[in-house]
Amino acid sequence: EPEVTQTPSHQVTQMGQEVILRCVPISNHLYFYWYRQILGQKVEFLVSFYNNEISEKSEIFDDQFSVERPDGSNFTLKIRSTKLEDSAMYFCASTLWTPGTGELFFGEGSRLTVL
Amino acid sequence: SQELEQSPQSLIVQEGKNLTINCTSSKTLYGLYWYKQKYGEGLIFLMMLQKGGEEKSHEKITAKLDEKKQQSSLHITASQPSHAGIYLCGADMHGGNQFYFGTGTSLTVIP
Repeated sequence: EPEVTQTPSHQVTQMGQEVILRCVPISNHLYFYWYRQILGQKVEFLVSFYNNEISEKSEIFDDQFSVERPDGSNFTLKIRSTKLEDSAMYFCASTLWTPGTGELFFGEGSRLTVL
Repeated sequence: SQELEQSPQSLIVQEGKNLTINCTSSKTLYGLYWYKQKYGEGLIFLMMLQKGGEEKSHEKITAKLDEKKQQSSLHITASQPSHAGIYLCGADMHGGNQFYFGTGTSLTVIP
């Protein structure tokens, strides 16, 4: 069964460092998402991406965040200068159709720890 | 403001008992999803409801979307320890490309 894969599964970084989280969505999917879950809290929408551009983003997704689909298979989330409060689990998701019309497939997540 | 509210926030039940989790929106839902998350792990898709009044079942889990498409319930019959985890409803409420999750319901099943 096709799946969304994320790397790394866990990354530890120093405050102020840049981090890139990688996702390989399901190959024929068209819509891509990043979510964040701070430990013990709810899953929060960060950004959606379609047709090689951001289609929606939340208030959390400020200038320190960026997304890219560099090569048609990977979908990356970059955090430019990490802060302690960026420590969280980051989930990537993809779907073939717009939300509400098909299943949103999630990766296993990348745990980011900022020291 | 929280657009998808779940209740209860947490639930502890004895194995074998039935339970219901609710998800309420202030807006019409463009499809309502239920996911399960085991503590510290990824999200597992349970089911998706699109039409008002729709009801779906998978094993001992049944979900229903009300006629007005603003509330959904998830019902577990004869709960088992394997049902333990966090249940999340999710939806696109804006007709665009934003998909939000509810506040989550933590379920503990005591053997």
